[in-house]
Amino acid sequence: GQNIDQPTEMTATEGAIVQINCTYQTSGFNGLFWYQQHAGEAPTFLSYNVLDGLEEKGRFSSFLSRSKGYSYLLLKELQMKDSASYLCAAPFGSGYNKLIFGAGTRLAVHP
Amino acid sequence: GAGVSQSPSNKVTEKGKDVELRCDPISGHTALYWYRQSLGQGLEFLIYFQGNSAPDKSGLPSDRFSAERTGGSVSTLTIQRTQQEDSAVYLCAIGRSGGGSTDTQYFGPGTRLTVL
Repeated sequence: GQNIDQPTEMTATEGAIVQINCTYQTSGFNGLFWYQQHAGEAPTFLSYNVLDGLEEKGRFSSFLSRSKGYSYLLLKELQMKDSASYLCAAPFGSGYNKLIFGAGTRLAVHP
Repeated sequence: GAGVSQSPSNKVTEKGKDVELRCDPISGHTALYWYRQSLGQGLEFLIYFQGNSAPDKSGLPSDRFSAERTGGSVSTLTIQRTQQEDSAVYLCAIGRSGGGSTDTQYFGPGTRLTVL
C-alpha cells in the first residue's frame, strides 16, 4: 500500500530556518513532490525530486533519500507569508499518474 | 496562474440533492485530475483523464460519484444524492510534463461543497 507521514504542525520565527520532514512508503517510486497551500487556496507546486540529494530553489530546498524513504523541505530566511500548509506527495499506480498526499504540515511563522 | 478555473467556487446544498462541479482547463492539457480535500485531511485522488483513454476511476468513493470530460477539455464531477460526508473542497488539476515520466500537477482554485 501507500502511506505518507509528515508532522501535523510546526512553528518557527521570522528570519529562521525550518525543516519539514516527510517519510513515505509506496509500492514503486517515481519521485516526490512538495506543494504549498495557503489557507483557503489551492496547492501550488514547489518542487519535485526523483534523484537523491538536495535541490535548491531560492529560499526553498528539497532533499530526497530513496533508500530511507525520506524527504525534507528546507525553508530559509522565513517570512510571515511562508505561514501555510506544506504537502508532501508521491505518484502511485500504473503509470504513476495519480498522487497520494500526506495530511500536510501547518507551519506558523511568528515575528 | 495554473490555467484552470473551477465553478462554482462555493456550493451549499441539501442532503439528497445532486450537484455538478465544473473544471475548465486552458486548452492543450491532455491530463486532468480530480481530488477532494476534507477538513484537516490530505488531498484524496478521485479520478484521472488522459486524452482519449478510459478514465481511471479507482479513487471514486461510491457509485454516487461520476465524472466526464467532453471534447478533451471541460470536465464535470457529479455527485448524486449528496451526503453530509461529501462536504469537502473539490480540486481539479491539470498535468504538465516536467521532462520526466510523471506530470507535475497544477491545481485550480477548488469548489467548496457544503451539504446540510
